[in-house]
Amino acid sequence: DAKTTQPPSMDCAEGRAANLPCNHSTISGNEYVYWYRQIHSQGPQYIIHGLKNNETNEMASLIITEDRKSSTLILPHATLRDTAVYYCIVRGGMEYGNKLVFGAGTILRVKS
Amino acid sequence: DAGVIQSPRHEVTEMGQEVTLRCKPISGHNSLFWYRQTMMRGLELLIYFNNNVPIDDSGMPEDRFSAKMPNASFSTLKIQPSEPRDSAVYFCASSLIKQSGYTFGSGTRLTVV
Repeated sequence: DAKTTQPPSMDCAEGRAANLPCNHSTISGNEYVYWYRQIHSQGPQYIIHGLKNNETNEMASLIITEDRKSSTLILPHATLRDTAVYYCIVRGGMEYGNKLVFGAGTILRVKS
Repeated sequence: DAGVIQSPRHEVTEMGQEVTLRCKPISGHNSLFWYRQTMMRGLELLIYFNNNVPIDDSGMPEDRFSAKMPNASFSTLKIQPSEPRDSAVYFCASSLIKQSGYTFGSGTRLTVV
């Protein structure tokens, strides 16, 4: 699976959009981009995933560049409860197995 | 749905003792994963099962660790004998065998003294 690069930490003001970047320059054609987050002392929580098109759900939006070498997770109106570690993961198609490998992630601090 | 259920939530044991962690995946999910999290090493995948069959156990640290999935609704992770360096939070997760998200349990915090 392709590796990802994320900034170690970011701050965001409450009520503003949080934009979390991820670089995955070695991504291959059948690899998906997944985002998870982990709030302190809890298990990781699935947020969103995509292949090439932008995706949106009730939690967030995922913007993937046309060359697929980077992506951005957008939390449109961050709240204090969004403070967490956010993991960007690239995962291959099913022929490569069904596992997710977590990196260090980005610590997002939402401040009032 | 109650989600992925892990037990116990906390376990404190003495070095050399056997420890068994338990996991009940979400009904209908056919993949199950065991992860370990420490400050030093982050989240590490230990082993995962598809349709109750172990697929990849390359993350299991050593022979002291073993995992079983006797049926679709139950899995165990056993450490025998336990050592202080096994102290960590152990997470279980389940999913469908396709491109979908995992659902994680609340974890078991293991302390070996």
